[in-house]
Amino acid sequence: GIQVEQSPPDLILQEGANSTLRCNFSDSVNNLQWFHQNPWGQLINLFYIPSGTKQNGRLSATTVATERYSLLYISSSQTTDSGVYFCAVALNTNAGKSTFGDGTTLTVKP
Amino acid sequence: GAVVSQHPSRVICKSGTSVKIECRSLDFQATTMFWYRQFPKQSLMLMATSNEGSKATYEQGVEKDKFLINHASLTLSTLTVTSAHPEDSSFYICSARDLAGEQFFGPGTRLTVL
Repeated sequence: GIQVEQSPPDLILQEGANSTLRCNFSDSVNNLQWFHQNPWGQLINLFYIPSGTKQNGRLSATTVATERYSLLYISSSQTTDSGVYFCAVALNTNAGKSTFGDGTTLTVKP
Repeated sequence: GAVVSQHPSRVICKSGTSVKIECRSLDFQATTMFWYRQFPKQSLMLMATSNEGSKATYEQGVEKDKFLINHASLTLSTLTVTSAHPEDSSFYICSARDLAGEQFFGPGTRLTVL
């Protein structure tokens, strides 16, 4: 099956700092998403980005499918950005199961 | 984005009882839903793919007789943990894909078996 590796596993930042989270995957995929899991366990959709670049406020993401990686950028981090960030990939666009990485735990200190 | 609900959010039960968890897609139809479990400080582990009108597809190592899945309509899938034991205590999360392929998750169910 597909292997998904996220780095770094843990990241501690001071409020206001920028960060880059990485997701490497072992096979060609047609579906890639970034999620933020909040302290109550809810997974919040950040980006659906099988390829290209997207931006939403302080967050942006880039997927280079041919090189099998995706990056999530967080700028001007806030304490509310703390939590676990997951990357999930799937071979098929519409119905295939996803494989999750182990996540990056982000802690933003005031 | 699409909304997926899950009920109950938290359940505590005695060992040996069965627990049913419901997952609903509120504003879209989902022919396929997914059930995950998550242990503390770990990633999500896919348990099974729930297919509307047919049998679920279980991942290797997941007991289908232990974790019964029913997907009777395009908006509802249920997971029943049968004869629950303390080792079944976990966070169970369902998800569904919209027509574009984006996956949306329910809020999860925290199961504690005493």
